[in-house]
Amino acid sequence: AQKITQTQPGMFVQEKEAVTLDCTYDTSDPSYGLFWYKQPSSGEMIFLIYQGSYDQQNATEGRYSLNFQKARKSANLVISASQLGDSAMYFCAMRVRSGYALNFGKGTSLLVTP
Amino acid sequence: NAGVTQTPKFRILKIGQSMTLQCAQDMNHNYMYWYRQDPGMGLKLIYYSVGAGITDKGEVPNGYNVSRSTTEDFPLRLELAAPSQTSVYFCASKKRETQYFGPGTRLLVL
Repeated sequence: AQKITQTQPGMFVQEKEAVTLDCTYDTSDPSYGLFWYKQPSSGEMIFLIYQGSYDQQNATEGRYSLNFQKARKSANLVISASQLGDSAMYFCAMRVRSGYALNFGKGTSLLVTP
Repeated sequence: NAGVTQTPKFRILKIGQSMTLQCAQDMNHNYMYWYRQDPGMGLKLIYYSVGAGITDKGEVPNGYNVSRSTTEDFPLRLELAAPSQTSVYFCASKKRETQYFGPGTRLLVL
């Protein structure tokens, strides 16, 4: 079974600080993809970052980086220099074989405080 | 490009009624998906399609049907609505590795 686990239901961070959101996964497939999506209170799902299992380097997209530790099966999202607009739900997801669909974790709620 | 569009944005159904959630994309993507998101949870896959005329079940297909007659459209049909189908429904399409989501349809079954 391919499973995503996010153990932090809620996180707080002060503006301009960095924050790490945890994600662990379980799969027996050698080829897989890991994703992070942001869901603000308005409800839309916004793609943030992608990491392929064969990628040699950790993915980065602006203030977002993915700390990929293959042996530990973890794919933590690091947000640097947090902004108030980063307050949202964050979902980790893994691509599954069936139609390359996504299997999502339960999410982590991030609140950025002034 | 409008991306992925969904209609309606919000709907209230009575138990036993039926409805179709519309999804369209103008990016010529072959892969399309329907997910549902229950309160406090991540998204779960209902159905997916790898191209016109080809659909398959996801994790939670019971109570739903889909069709894919064109590349652009991927409607989701609810037959005999039940309170357990109260949820937010997201449609998505895929280009290379990334899935792009529509704004969602909030459905309340009473």
